[in-house]
Amino acid sequence: DAGVIQSPRHEVTEMGQEVTLRCKPISGHNSLFWYRQTMMRGLELLIYFNNNVPIDDSGMPEDRFSAKMPNASFSTLKIQPSEPRDSAVYFCASSWGGVTDTQYFGPGTRLTVL
Amino acid sequence: ELKVEQNPLFLSMQEGKNYTIYCNYSTTSDRLYWYRQDPGKSLESLFVLLSNGAVKQEGRLMASLDTKARLSTLHITAAVHDLSATYFCAVDRGGNTDKLIFGTGTRLQVFP
Repeated sequence: DAGVIQSPRHEVTEMGQEVTLRCKPISGHNSLFWYRQTMMRGLELLIYFNNNVPIDDSGMPEDRFSAKMPNASFSTLKIQPSEPRDSAVYFCASSWGGVTDTQYFGPGTRLTVL
Repeated sequence: ELKVEQNPLFLSMQEGKNYTIYCNYSTTSDRLYWYRQDPGKSLESLFVLLSNGAVKQEGRLMASLDTKARLSTLHITAAVHDLSATYFCAVDRGGNTDKLIFGTGTRLQVFP
């Protein structure tokens, strides 16, 4: 299995621009998680989906952030408009069955907002 | 609110030595996870501890869980350079909106 796939791996954009991060979970996994990692705040869960349905989005910082999972093999995290404080590494993870099953992390997208 | 604290935050140790990383959490939970992250890389699952008294071992790493004390330990035996990484514990918050709460991480450097 290829593991969790994320794209792009690196993204540099200017403040105010729209950013879209993409994730393909491991085939057969029915839960998908978006995390953000920063030096100041550590690793935080933004949102997670179970069977393509958002279960908990309480970690989404504000309305500028949105996430979708149109099917079992694809998810997006969108930031519009982006701000410098959004600079972070964004990880996508997937698991067989929810939070309590082992989560397998993707390589991450390093986002820099200038 | 569940809080997860690790100590030490940074650990520099000589090859061949033993040491323990501690993970304390503030509310009841029966599930605890350990992950490893190499610099600039993703997180890799190491251990899943699912009950009080659980002990898991893999190579030079051994993890244990004491749910009554709300404490997990990650013990390193005879450290080698390849173990240099950041280690995170994560606790399942449980309840209707369960999610993993990650600790701050312990950055381990093993030197000759």
